[in-house]
Amino acid sequence: SYELTQPLSVSVALGQTARITCGGNNIGRKDVHWYQQRPGQAPALVIYRDVNRPSGIPERFSGSNSGNTATLTISGAQPGDEADYYCQVWDSSVIFGGGTKLTVL
Amino acid sequence: EVQLVESGGGLVQPGRSLRLACRGSGYTFGNYAMTWVRQAPGKGLEWVGYIRNKGYGGPIEYAASVKGRFTISRDDSKNIAYLDMNSLRIEDTGMYYCTRDSGTTGPAASEVWGQGTMVTVSS
Repeated sequence: SYELTQPLSVSVALGQTARITCGGNNIGRKDVHWYQQRPGQAPALVIYRDVNRPSGIPERFSGSNSGNTATLTISGAQPGDEADYYCQVWDSSVIFGGGTKLTVL
Repeated sequence: EVQLVESGGGLVQPGRSLRLACRGSGYTFGNYAMTWVRQAPGKGLEWVGYIRNKGYGGPIEYAASVKGRFTISRDDSKNIAYLDMNSLRIEDTGMYYCTRDSGTTGPAASEVWGQGTMVTVSS
């Protein structure tokens, strides 16, 4: 079955750029969606179909997808960006990555 | 405001059944597919299943871990999606979220999420 690999944790200094990766076999051929889950809250969509931001999501959030890696980039990281981030694809079933905890230092 | 509200969670013994409901508001409920996602305590997200809107038809999709035990349905006249859970197991314990799915022919991005309803399976 298809698997998505995310780092368990990523740390970023306040105001700097965080990159969260999502690895999968030929993931560049799939649509990747990204979710943010703040502590105690439901997840929220932050990027869909690799690069698209839903309304209300700051431009600081961007996505890319090529080869075997999709990446969520958060520019100018803020304290409110501290959360768990999950990638998701469809491969005969919906697959979520294991999640990455982002810490803003 | 687009909103999803889940209900029906609670404590249930292994082997018993439970029905969850998800009421949508602020949009034309019948025009959108719906997805259920769950999250065990302290763990990541796990997809449960997906139901298309009536306009597109097609099979209801289920995760292998729940296929044959869980059933998703919808009543567009009431703006409600249901998750019927039978033969519950301890490992079914978790927060259950319903989502509005942007996909029409198959699961895509979950663009709107409810606040979740907690299911605890324990003797």
